[in-house]
Amino acid sequence: KAGVTQTPRYLIKTRGQQVTLSCSPISGHRSVSWYQQTPGQGLQFLFEYFSETQRNKGNFPGRFSGRQFSNSRSEMNVSTLELGDSALYLCASSAREGTNYGYTFGSGTRLTVV
Amino acid sequence: GDSVTQMEGPVTLSEEAFLTINCTYTATGYPSLFWYVQYPGEGLQLLLKATKADDKGSNKGFEATYRKETTSFHLEKGSVQVSDSAVYFCALRSSGNTPLVFGKGTRLSVIA
Repeated sequence: KAGVTQTPRYLIKTRGQQVTLSCSPISGHRSVSWYQQTPGQGLQFLFEYFSETQRNKGNFPGRFSGRQFSNSRSEMNVSTLELGDSALYLCASSAREGTNYGYTFGSGTRLTVV
Repeated sequence: GDSVTQMEGPVTLSEEAFLTINCTYTATGYPSLFWYVQYPGEGLQLLLKATKADDKGSNKGFEATYRKETTSFHLEKGSVQVSDSAVYFCALRSSGNTPLVFGKGTRLSVIA
């Protein structure tokens, strides 16, 4: 069974540009969550989608957005990139709702803003 | 709001030493508790979980017991190996409609 696939693995962008990251969840998983990981702030929740609807959103500016498609694949977009957006962006999928179900994470996309 | 506090690292141990990584939490209701591990250059992997008080999660020699009275979920392993070197994250989820909340992570280095 394929795991959570994130593309690309590495990305270098210039300040002011925009970027789109992609996540394909495990087949049959309908929930997709995104996290930003930095050395200083640790893992911070960005947003969660379930069946194409955004269910939760973290405390990030409006430059960060996402969406989920009917096949459960998800994308997140960051516009007007800042140096502080450099981070590892992790996507995770879950089979069902409910607290019992942990997330399965992808390997992440390492974004560097120069 | 929900939060998780982990002991700060890094933790450095010799091979075959006993490991404890402390984790305490604050949450509404009765959360499920998780430990994740992150090896260099990789995403997070679920190590173990416990979904109700007094449950013990275990995997690969690691154990953690859900202690509601002390709001704790400490990770233990009796004999660590070099291959256990990684960053360990404690996490909780308090309802099906809330996201997973993580602690800051504890870096473990095991030396031969």
